[in-house]
Amino acid sequence: ETGVTQTPRHLVMGMTNKKSLKCEQHLGHNAMYWYKQSAKKPLELMFVYSLEERVENNSVPSRFSPECPNSSHLFLHLHTLQPEDSALYLCASSHSTSGIYEQYFGPGTRLTVT
Amino acid sequence: GQQVMQIPQYQHVQEGEDFTTYCNSSTTLSNIQWYKQRPGGHPVFLIQLVKSGEVKKQKRLTFQFGEAKKNSSLHITATQTTDVGTYFCAGQGAQKLVFGQGTRLTINP
Repeated sequence: ETGVTQTPRHLVMGMTNKKSLKCEQHLGHNAMYWYKQSAKKPLELMFVYSLEERVENNSVPSRFSPECPNSSHLFLHLHTLQPEDSALYLCASSHSTSGIYEQYFGPGTRLTVT
Repeated sequence: GQQVMQIPQYQHVQEGEDFTTYCNSSTTLSNIQWYKQRPGGHPVFLIQLVKSGEVKKQKRLTFQFGEAKKNSSLHITATQTTDVGTYFCAGQGAQKLVFGQGTRLTINP
């Protein structure tokens, strides 16, 4: 499946580093999502974008900064992360934010904060 | 706020045994979706249920949506090793799609 791609697939960063995660969808969808997946919280919604406008921010710390330059691309900028931020970060897209449309997930970025 | 609870959290079965996971919402849902995530993979959409009391089948998988549209179940008949993974339900309430915590299925061959 190549509908939603994510880079990098693996990332190790120190707490003082700045890095960005990239997501691209090739499905012509209008909504994109960032999820955090860890052992404690299997699928934790972080941000939702609809037509490049952020429509949801689930009390995510400011050290995570999303960016959606167009409906096909989504970024998650990371800075001064904590070890507890280590997790799998999943990007997803759907036709719209209406829950009647299924979400297509990317393969994820496995992030380790040292 | 809307909550979706899924049980059990873990289930281990012998190959050939049946498996069921249950999903319960604190509010009435307009629809419910089911996803499967293989070990090391990402969630993949399986099916969507919309109507009260709806039952859908995909080969050995049977999906049900409760009459009150507040609960759902996924039943797998005669599990196979390829069924291993985590099964998530996701319920659409008034505002958004909320995922359950998932049920992780492991199978002893």
